[in-house]
Amino acid sequence: DGGITQSPKYLFRKEGQNVTLSCEQNLNHDAMYWYRQDPGQGLRLIYYSQIVNDFQKGDIAEGYSVSREKKESFPLTVTSAQTNPTAFYLCASSKGTRIYTFGSGTRLTVV
Amino acid sequence: DQQVKQNSPSLSVQEGRISILNCDYTNSMFDYFLWYKKYPAEGPTFLISISSIKDKNEDGRFTVFLNKSAKHLSLHIVPSQPGDSAVYFCAASSEPGAGSYQLTFGKGTKLSVIP
Repeated sequence: DGGITQSPKYLFRKEGQNVTLSCEQNLNHDAMYWYRQDPGQGLRLIYYSQIVNDFQKGDIAEGYSVSREKKESFPLTVTSAQTNPTAFYLCASSKGTRIYTFGSGTRLTVV
Repeated sequence: DQQVKQNSPSLSVQEGRISILNCDYTNSMFDYFLWYKKYPAEGPTFLISISSIKDKNEDGRFTVFLNKSAKHLSLHIVPSQPGDSAVYFCAASSEPGAGSYQLTFGKGTKLSVIP
């Protein structure tokens, strides 16, 4: 079955560490997105990518970095520059439409 | 500056009755609107959408109404079932100048359907 896989489901980060969240899709979708959700907040766009080797900043890109070396993969790195990284992170993809398919999310906690 | 607003953080409805979730937007360039349903610790799933050229779209128990002049849309669920209990996100997008579509999400409304 096609879908988006995010891993790990739970991730703990020590202060000052970089961590990378994985997002893989086998839907043959061209566009991929990373969103962040905080309690009582909507989904806010971090980065998005339309094609391989190209990506753009979203509304809250500071403290994050991404790469898109393969169509199927769009990993997100949360750097030490992100001062409040504890949140639920969602990856999504789409193919020429506005209907996104979302992964099941990664909950990141700073310890 | 919130472009998509869901002013009711929560809503409780009796099983079998109608649930009405509301959403307002400020950006007149938005021309496509979607509703997503989200359970805890899971990703959102697409529920229903509507283009700005329509004022109503129906899919089974779910109907979305769009009032462009008021910049308002609503999701009706009839009849409501306990399995509908979830957070519902309203999202909007505009035609991209170039590249992929981006969705702007509201903060969500938590629906509780009481048996």
